[in-house]
Amino acid sequence: AQKITQTQPGMFVQEKEAVTLDCTYDTSDPSYGLFWYKQPSSGEMIFLIYQGSYDQQNATEGRYSLNFQKARKSANLVISASQLGDSAMYFCAMREDRGSTLGRLYFGRGTQLTVWP
Amino acid sequence: GAGVSQSPRYKVAKRGQDVALRCDPISGHVSLFWYQQALGQGPEFLTYFQNEAQLDKSGLPSDRFFAERPEGSVSTLKIQRTQQEDSAVYLCASSLSGNFNEQFFGPGTRLTVL
Repeated sequence: AQKITQTQPGMFVQEKEAVTLDCTYDTSDPSYGLFWYKQPSSGEMIFLIYQGSYDQQNATEGRYSLNFQKARKSANLVISASQLGDSAMYFCAMREDRGSTLGRLYFGRGTQLTVWP
Repeated sequence: GAGVSQSPRYKVAKRGQDVALRCDPISGHVSLFWYQQALGQGPEFLTYFQNEAQLDKSGLPSDRFFAERPEGSVSTLKIQRTQQEDSAVYLCASSLSGNFNEQFFGPGTRLTVL
């Protein structure tokens, strides 16, 4: 089974508007971490935001916030006030904190975000 | 350096050739990861080092893939007898020991096997 599901292959948003990128995850581990990365066309993976499974509040980093709904196993990324430079591929990822897979990240297939003027 | 560096950035190999990809993690980062990213896909885990110890190599797709980190800093991913399906971007990431809240990625090496 897929550990990370991103159902939106592509999203379009107008500059200055907010956009939500969906992510659902699957784990039986009670302790885990959720990440969002941005990958521009240059190819590097840029860390955006992190949410721990025991964190009580949703993570925020500048214009990025993570809408963490634990019961629904969703970790959507919200980008407020989109900018043209936000156009990129966005990946959701998960780390499980137990067992032999400690540290490794499981990635979704990504969502290509296009911001138009 | 300030970030994770990888070399070469691009590599073209003929099928059957051996290749070696290098990763220089952030200084002081104990944990190092290799991922493979096929075109249009998310990265897939290959292997993980803590210092010089390879603690997890369950993601290596075949015995043609070999990784090492002999002195606990620079790591090399070697692919023997390359095949077309090995064409991908190979990403290296590092993080502080005990702190997996952020993995810092390098720019990747794009391998094309003809």
